[in-house]
Amino acid sequence: GAGVSQSPSNKVTEKGKDVELRCDPISGHTALYWYRQSLGQGLEFLIYFQGNSAPDKSGLPSDRFSAERTGGSVSTLTIQRTQQEDSAVYLCASSFGGGATEQFFGPGTRLTVL
Amino acid sequence: GDSVTQMEGPVTLSEEAFLTINCTYTATGYPSLFWYVQYPGEGLQLLLKATKADDKGSNKGFEATYRKETTSFHLEKGSVQVSDSAVYFCALRGSNFGNEKLTFGTGTRLTIIP
Repeated sequence: GAGVSQSPSNKVTEKGKDVELRCDPISGHTALYWYRQSLGQGLEFLIYFQGNSAPDKSGLPSDRFSAERTGGSVSTLTIQRTQQEDSAVYLCASSFGGGATEQFFGPGTRLTVL
Repeated sequence: GDSVTQMEGPVTLSEEAFLTINCTYTATGYPSLFWYVQYPGEGLQLLLKATKADDKGSNKGFEATYRKETTSFHLEKGSVQVSDSAVYFCALRGSNFGNEKLTFGTGTRLTIIP
């Protein structure tokens, strides 16, 4: 079956531009997570959705970052006025629910801000 | 807050050698513990997990035991293969209500030479 998919796989943008990153979770998974993997900071949690609600946004680094999820499925992570420090691989994961259920990760979107 | 400290890499071993990658954690209560693996060119995937003290997670010849007294979850394998070359991440999910995020260690790059 299909796993978590993310698009685009690579994105190069200029400083100050806005970008949108998309995540398609595994069908039926109610929980969706965004993480960021960068050389300096390792793997960091950004935001968690249960259905269309985001009960935990504690990892979003600034108000330039936002995310939404519609129909309990697709999620979009938006970064406004990108900065060079936003360069990283953005990972999406989904799971059937919370707890110790396995989070299945997508291949990531590599974002480069010039 | 929760944190995971993981053995710094890179680690290089010969095929059939014994592997240990150390992982210790800081968290309140009884977190769930995980090892994730990232093979070259692939996404993160769950290797094994343990959800309570003294549990042993195992998969593909790898094992890790949840040690509450030493707050550790060391990864071991008796005889590594070239195909085990990858980056290994230790992670935890906190036990407090509503905490669904994974907190990761910095990752350990393992290279097995024939």
